[in-house]
Amino acid sequence: GDSVTQTEGLVTLTKGLPVMLNCTYQTTYSPFLFWYVQHLNEAPKLLLKSSTDNKRTEHQGFYATLHKSSSSFHLQKSSVQLSDSALYFCALSEGNNNNRIFFGDGTQLVVKP
Amino acid sequence: GPKVLQIPSHQIIDMGQMVTLNCDPVSNHLYFYWYKQILGQQMEFLVNFYNGKVMEKSKLFKDQFSVERPDGSYFTLKIQPTALEDSAVYFCASSLSKNTEVFFGKGTRLTVV
Repeated sequence: GDSVTQTEGLVTLTKGLPVMLNCTYQTTYSPFLFWYVQHLNEAPKLLLKSSTDNKRTEHQGFYATLHKSSSSFHLQKSSVQLSDSALYFCALSEGNNNNRIFFGDGTQLVVKP
Repeated sequence: GPKVLQIPSHQIIDMGQMVTLNCDPVSNHLYFYWYKQILGQQMEFLVNFYNGKVMEKSKLFKDQFSVERPDGSYFTLKIQPTALEDSAVYFCASSLSKNTEVFFGKGTRLTVV
C-alpha cells in the first residue's frame, strides 16, 4: 500500500547550519508530494508541493526536489533559523480518484541559538 | 489566507458519552477531511468526504464514528459512544479539489475521562 517514510524523528541543529529532512514514499499511482510544517499548538500549513519529476520547488528558504527514480522528496534549507523549530510532515497524495493524503510520522526540528 | 475553523478548541467528555466536533471549512471547498493526532506526533487519516458522501475511511474510523455536512453547514465528526483511546487532537481540513492544497484547522483537543 501507499506510505511515506521519514527516517528522523528528531533533528537538533544550531542556528545558521544547513538541514535536510528525509522523505521517501511508496505508491503505485502518480505521486503528489507535500511538506507541511506544524508549529506548536498550530494547524499544519503547506510549505512545499510538487508532482514534477526532477524539478526543484522553493518556499520561504526551504526547497525540495521530487525524484521519482528514488521515490524521494527531501526537504532542505541552507541556513536554519530559530523560527524554523517545528514539526515537519512529508505527505503523499495519490494521483487517482481519491484524495486521501498519507502523512509520514513527522520530524521534529529543534534549532538552538 | 483561507481558514478552516474548528469549534470547540478543547472538549472534555465522560467516557461513553457522545461528542460532536464541528468544523467550518473554507467556503468554496468541496473536499473535507478529519485527521487524528496523538501527543503532537503522527497525523493519522480518518476519513474524507465529498458531495455528501464518505469517499474513503481508515481503520481508525470505527463504527462509533460518523461524519456529515447537512445543508452546507458545519462538517461534523460525531463519536458515540466515546472511549478513552479517542483522546487526541482532531484536525479538520478542506480542499478545493483533488491534489490541491489542503487547509487545516487548528484542531479540537478531545479528552475522554
